[in-house]
Amino acid sequence: DAGVIQSPRHEVTEMGQEVTLRCKPISGHDYLFWYRQTMMRGLELLIYFNNNVPIDDSGMPEDRFSAKMPNASFSTLKIQPSEPRDSAVYFCASSLGDGGREKLFFGSGTQLSVL
Amino acid sequence: AQKVTQAQTEISVVEKEDVTLDCVYETRDTTYYLFWYKQPPSGELVFLIRRNSFDEQNEISGRYSWNFQKSTSSFNFTITASQVVDSAVYFCALSVAGSARQLTFGSGTQLTVLP
Repeated sequence: DAGVIQSPRHEVTEMGQEVTLRCKPISGHDYLFWYRQTMMRGLELLIYFNNNVPIDDSGMPEDRFSAKMPNASFSTLKIQPSEPRDSAVYFCASSLGDGGREKLFFGSGTQLSVL
Repeated sequence: AQKVTQAQTEISVVEKEDVTLDCVYETRDTTYYLFWYKQPPSGELVFLIRRNSFDEQNEISGRYSWNFQKSTSSFNFTITASQVVDSAVYFCALSVAGSARQLTFGSGTQLTVLP
């Protein structure tokens, strides 16, 4: 079975540009998570969905960030406009059951560099 | 609020040595879950183990073993006869009441196994 698929693997953009990160969770999983990893702050939960409905977006840093899950097999994380401080690795993860209780399956991540 | 401390930022061992990665957690809740994840150089985090607060039984899986001690709020991870392929960043995580919004990751321990 395919794991969690993220695209692109690497994204280099200029400040002010819109960035869209994509994620395909494992089929049948009912939870989807977006995490950000930086050296300074470690792994941070940005937002998570249950059955395509956003449950908690308190980790989204500001209004420039938005996430959608239009169906059970696709989610996007958008940054508009992007800033250099958004440079990080963004992970998508999915789980069958709440990820605070069940194991998370992570994608390979998107390395975002904002110049 | 809960907290996970991985005091060892980096550990370097020679192949075949045993190594223990420490994890100390803080929570006032009586129901919680503990996890270990591995992040190899390829980037994606991989689930290793989950323990709930009512199960203090230690676990062994091949060369991996975990020692859960509620008395010292620790959930340590030992690799026996380490191999170069064990080189990775290892994260300990804690969630309260099995809720993803309460899932907290430690800062990680970079393990390097030298040939």
